[in-house]
Amino acid sequence: AQSVTQLGSHVSVSEGALVLLRCNYSSSVPPYLFWYVQYPNQGLQLLLKYTSAATLVKGINGFEAEFKKSETSFHLTKPSAHMSDAAEYFCAVSDRGFGNEKLTFGTGTRLTIIP
Amino acid sequence: EAGVAQSPRYKIIEKRQSVAFWCNPISGHATLYWYQQILGQGPKLLIQFQNNGVVDDSQLPKDRFSAERLKGVDSTLKIQPAKLEDSAVYLCASSLVWGSTDTQYFGPGTRLTVL
Repeated sequence: AQSVTQLGSHVSVSEGALVLLRCNYSSSVPPYLFWYVQYPNQGLQLLLKYTSAATLVKGINGFEAEFKKSETSFHLTKPSAHMSDAAEYFCAVSDRGFGNEKLTFGTGTRLTIIP
Repeated sequence: EAGVAQSPRYKIIEKRQSVAFWCNPISGHATLYWYQQILGQGPKLLIQFQNNGVVDDSQLPKDRFSAERLKGVDSTLKIQPAKLEDSAVYLCASSLVWGSTDTQYFGPGTRLTVL
């Protein structure tokens, strides 16, 4: 069964510092991988997705993620944190096979930005 | 473009009572999803519709949960009777087509508290 593990339920960074949120996946077939962001009292919004094209994926709000098959990782980064980045971030995986392609989410990482 | 609409936004009930949630997906989106997000966890798929047919309901507790999507547009998720462990945010999402790379757009969710 496919799964993702997010390392660190809480991450704090200073404004202007590098943001690094970690995600490792487990999948029996080459996966599709996603990062979603959730602001308080709102639904989830897609940041970016990996679907087997370029391994370095650029998303919205200056975020990017790199698919590393050898490390089974899909870490999310942003060079310079902004106060508006404070939110909860979820990594998700979906199998590629035709049929039941549901998203399996990690437990989330709450990002706090320190002024 | 209007997003995914959900109502109510908040609901408090006592255990053994019944409750229903409503979702209106983005116009033209064929696929509709209901997720359960328990505090501190990532969303878990409960049921997935393709138009008005069920694609996946393997994680839906069918003894108490039911869902329908009449006419392939709006959907209703019902819990009867509710248990304390049903306290969660219920998220509705929709996507244009059925496929593992297609973006899912999420509504703001309904926060259910069971006392």
